[in-house]
Amino acid sequence: GAGVSQSPSNKVTEKGKDVELRCDPISGHTALYWYRQSLGQGLEFLIYFQGNSAPDKSGLPSDRFSAERTGGSVSTLTIQRTQQEDSAVYLCASSLAATGTSGGSTDTQYFGPGTRLTVL
Amino acid sequence: TQLLEQSPQFLSIQEGENLTVYCNSSSVFSSLQWYRQEPGEGPVLLVTVVTGGEVKKLKRLTFQFGDARKDSSLHITAAQPGDTGLYLCAGYSYNFNKFYFGSGTKLNVKP
Repeated sequence: GAGVSQSPSNKVTEKGKDVELRCDPISGHTALYWYRQSLGQGLEFLIYFQGNSAPDKSGLPSDRFSAERTGGSVSTLTIQRTQQEDSAVYLCASSLAATGTSGGSTDTQYFGPGTRLTVL
Repeated sequence: TQLLEQSPQFLSIQEGENLTVYCNSSSVFSSLQWYRQEPGEGPVLLVTVVTGGEVKKLKRLTFQFGDARKDSSLHITAAQPGDTGLYLCAGYSYNFNKFYFGSGTKLNVKP
């Protein structure tokens, strides 16, 4: 079956503009995660969805960042008034959710290829 | 501040050599995972370890979870150029209810 897909694969924008990044998770996966990765570094957790709700938004760097998920499927990450420090690869992952609010301690997260965002 | 520290950050070795990558924390994790990421792609899960002291082998890769569940190691025997990539450890913390990723080890295996 299809894996996690993300669009666009690359986005170049000017400082101050808004951008929307899209994630299509694997069908049937109820948990969805957004991460940010800077130049070959580790992953920085941004936000996690269980269904359409986001129990954990603690990783969002500022109020310029927001995310939503509709129909328990597609998610969009929106960055308003982009800054140069927002330049990074934004990765989305999905997993089958275990019971509880955590999304599962051993659930396998399947990652998309990422969106490379460059803010000029 | 990184909850999971990986070492070394970079490793460049010749084909056929052995290597070990470490993932350390002062916190306890209920499970720990290792991922491998190639340029332009998302990380791919290699293994999950859940029991303190657990050792898992995957062909030439050996993964170990520390007894206290605060650290893990990945050992590669007879490295091959196809092993080149960014290796990431990730731990699940019940205390904080989320996954934490390490900073990564960039491995380059030269033919």
